[in-house]
Amino acid sequence: AQRVTQPEKLLSVFKGAPVELKCNYSYSGSPELFWYVQYSRQRLQLLLRHISRESIKGFTADLNKGETSFHLKKPFAQEEDSAMYYCALTGSARTALIFGKGTTLSVSS
Amino acid sequence: KAGVTQTPRYLIKTRGQQVTLSCSPISGHRSVSWYQQTPGQGLQFLFEYFSETQRNKGNFPGRFSGRQFSNSRSEMNVSTLELGDSALYLCAASDGGEFAGELFFGEGSRLTVL
Repeated sequence: AQRVTQPEKLLSVFKGAPVELKCNYSYSGSPELFWYVQYSRQRLQLLLRHISRESIKGFTADLNKGETSFHLKKPFAQEEDSAMYYCALTGSARTALIFGKGTTLSVSS
Repeated sequence: KAGVTQTPRYLIKTRGQQVTLSCSPISGHRSVSWYQQTPGQGLQFLFEYFSETQRNKGNFPGRFSGRQFSNSRSEMNVSTLELGDSALYLCAASDGGEFAGELFFGEGSRLTVL
């Protein structure tokens, strides 16, 4: 079965602290992995995708096929990073995204 | 670019009724996908259309259907509404490549079934 698991519903950190949002997936083939973000009162939008291997807003994510993980990391959290973060993959249905249930990141000063 | 537009934004229906939701994608985006978002199940894929053809379908009953028009606008229909159909229905557009790629989401249509 194809599945994305985000074990934390809520992650609270202080400004300047490192952040790691966990994502594990289940898929026997070669998935494409994504992180989507939804800021307060904004639309869901793409944050980054593993094939681009770029850093967006200071966030990075590395695909670990051995551990079937795609954790999102940022060395120093900012208050504006507070949002809902969704990990997603494309599996056998290449034009459909399978989403995790999301993690709310709360950054306080 | 104008964003993905969904109408209506909010609607209330009663059990047994049917509902039609509309989505206008960004100009030039020929793929439209629909997702159902609920607190319990999160975001779940309903179906995806490209050039008026359904390319993929999620695991939803036949009461959920959709279509796409030649101008890429899409509609989804839910017949014989059930209480459990209460959800935020999100439309997402993309350039329609072989893979999902980057999806551009609308603000959603919030359906309440009483």
